[in-house]
Amino acid sequence: SQKIEQNSEALNIQEGKTATLTCNYTNYSPAYLQWYRQDPGRGPVFLLLIRENEKEKRKERLKVTFDTTLKQSLFHITASQPADSATYLCALSGSSNTGKLIFGQGTTLQVKP
Amino acid sequence: ETGVTQTPRHLVMGMTNKKSLKCEQHLGHNAMYWYKQSAKKPLELMFVYNFKEQTENNSVPSRFSPECPNSSHLFLHLHTLQPEDSALYLCASSQGLGDAGTEAFFGQGTRLTVV
Repeated sequence: SQKIEQNSEALNIQEGKTATLTCNYTNYSPAYLQWYRQDPGRGPVFLLLIRENEKEKRKERLKVTFDTTLKQSLFHITASQPADSATYLCALSGSSNTGKLIFGQGTTLQVKP
Repeated sequence: ETGVTQTPRHLVMGMTNKKSLKCEQHLGHNAMYWYKQSAKKPLELMFVYNFKEQTENNSVPSRFSPECPNSSHLFLHLHTLQPEDSALYLCASSQGLGDAGTEAFFGQGTRLTVV
C-alpha cells in the first residue's frame, strides 16, 4: 500500500540555522508533491508545490527538492526563526484529477532563539 | 484567516446525539473536501465533492453523512458516533480536482469529542 514517512521525531534547531525536513514515499508515483504548515489547533496552510518533472522549487526562505528516483522530497527553511516553529506536512497527489491528497504524519519543528 | 470557515470550532456530543458540522468557502472554488485528523495520525481524506457532486467516499462509515447543497457549502452530519471518532475534522476547498496539482485551502477545523 502507499506509504509516506516523515521524520517521526521532532526537529529542534537553533535560530538562524537551516532546517531540513524529509518526506519519503513508497508504492506510489506522485505527479505532484506539496508541503503544508500546521500550527496547533489550526488547519494546514499551503506552502509550496513541486511537480514530478521539477527538481527544485524556491519561495523566499523555503526550498523544496523532489527526487523521483529516490522517492524523496527535502524541505529546507534557511535562516530559521522561532516563528517557523510548527508541524510541516508533505502531501502527494497523482495525475488522475481526483483531488485526493495523501498526507504524511508531519514533522514538528522547534526553532530555539 | 483563510477563506474557508468551519463551525462550530469545538463540539462535544454523546454517542446517541445527532449533530452537524458546517463548512463555507468564500474562494469561488469548485471542489470541497472533508478530512479527519486523529492524534499522531496523518490526515485522512473522507469525502470529495466537485461542483456539489460527490466524487469520492473513502470507505467512511455511514454514521458520517455528507451534504453539499452548492459549491460554497459543505456539511457533515453525525449520528451515533463512537468515542474513537473523536478527532479534528477539517474542511478544505480547491479550484479544481488537481489538473495542475491544485493546492487545498483548509478551514480551522472542528475539534469533536464523543463521550
